[in-house]
Amino acid sequence: EDQVTQSPEALRLQEGESSSLNCSYTVSGLRGLFWYRQDPGKGPEFLFTLYSAGEEKEKERLKATLTKKESFLHITAPKPEDSATYLCAVLGYTGFQKLVFGTGTRLLVSP
Amino acid sequence: NAGVTQTPKFRVLKTGQSMTLLCAQDMNHEYMYWYRQDPGMGLRLIHYSVGEGTTAKGEVPDGYNVSRLKKQNFLLGLESAAPSQTSVYFCASSYGQGNYEQYFGPGTRLTVT
Repeated sequence: EDQVTQSPEALRLQEGESSSLNCSYTVSGLRGLFWYRQDPGKGPEFLFTLYSAGEEKEKERLKATLTKKESFLHITAPKPEDSATYLCAVLGYTGFQKLVFGTGTRLLVSP
Repeated sequence: NAGVTQTPKFRVLKTGQSMTLLCAQDMNHEYMYWYRQDPGMGLRLIHYSVGEGTTAKGEVPDGYNVSRLKKQNFLLGLESAAPSQTSVYFCASSYGQGNYEQYFGPGTRLTVT
């Protein structure tokens, strides 16, 4: 069964203090790993898709990386507006296009 | 482009009542999905559709029914609401067939008393 574990559950940073969020996964063949951002009271917002180990993608202060067992979301010099819950999901080859989501990391960036 | 929209945004039901949640997308996506999100459990797939006129069960389908009469709309029905169905419901859509990125609506917060 495909599984996703995200850590830490919550992370508090000062503005400008860089850090990384972790997404560990087990999947029967990886078709894709997805990162989403979710603000309180809103739907998840798509950030990145990674397809194979070694791949990296960047968007503003965020960079996502992928290995065969985990993905990291690196946040460089965060700002308060980066505060949100970040969700990771995987898509395997078994069955339909069913994304398996982790429970997320709640990030709070203080000024 | 409005993307994915959901109505209503909030709803309170009494046990045993029925209701329908509406999802609409204007991206010409083939695939549509209904999820529920509960604290500590992540997003779980309820039902999905791979095209107009098709539906299939996801991970937690019991107590829900769906219909996709038009490509742009996906309806989620609760025939007899139970307190265990108190949750936030999200609709999503994707192009399908090799493009796996799902785009989500803003959600419906449902409380069943």
